[in-house]
Amino acid sequence: DTAVSQTPKYLVTQMGNDKSIKCEQNLGHDTMYWYKQDSKKFLKIMFSYNNKELIINETVPNRFSPKSPDKAHLNLHINSLELGDSAVYFCASSRSLGKTQYFGPGTRLLVL
Amino acid sequence: GQQLNQSPQSMFIQEGEDVSMNCTSSSIFNTWLWYKQDPGEGPVLLIALYKAGELTSNGRLTAQFGITRKDSFLNISASIPSDVGIYFCAGLMDSNYQLIWGAGTKLIIKP
Repeated sequence: DTAVSQTPKYLVTQMGNDKSIKCEQNLGHDTMYWYKQDSKKFLKIMFSYNNKELIINETVPNRFSPKSPDKAHLNLHINSLELGDSAVYFCASSRSLGKTQYFGPGTRLLVL
Repeated sequence: GQQLNQSPQSMFIQEGEDVSMNCTSSSIFNTWLWYKQDPGEGPVLLIALYKAGELTSNGRLTAQFGITRKDSFLNISASIPSDVGIYFCAGLMDSNYQLIWGAGTKLIIKP
């Protein structure tokens, strides 16, 4: 059984488009996260949600808007995509804040 | 943002060799985590350390939580081809809820 799943796995789109990435966890965790991994493989936290409430919002452009319809889902919507948005985006979840995080397989976004 | 000092950045080793990598910080952590990322996949948790001085093994992997709580190391014994990948350390502090990450150690095994 997949613990943390993301869709799509690959996303290729044109600059200026709007796209969404979905994440679901079946671990019963309260906290979910979005990370961006750049070409140098550094993992950078973008957002953290605890019980559907935004906890951490790092310096991310407001073109990125997370939405958590319930504790098991955290989606990421990106408006007006830019070339620099090309990266791998990982969703993760943890039992609660400050606990071990478990990652999804990633969404590889390429903006042309 | 804050980042852990992870070294080495990359390692080229022969199959069968032992591997050692470490992470250091100027800050104190209450949890140290070691993850492995295979190409095209997300990071997978290898070992979690919760107590200063703790030494934990997972098969051929051994990790220790430094006594000062500012460092951790990961050893891999008798490396095999499937050990290739990027290994990340990460630390958690009680004062915030974020994982602080190292930049990763890329392990390459020479044929």
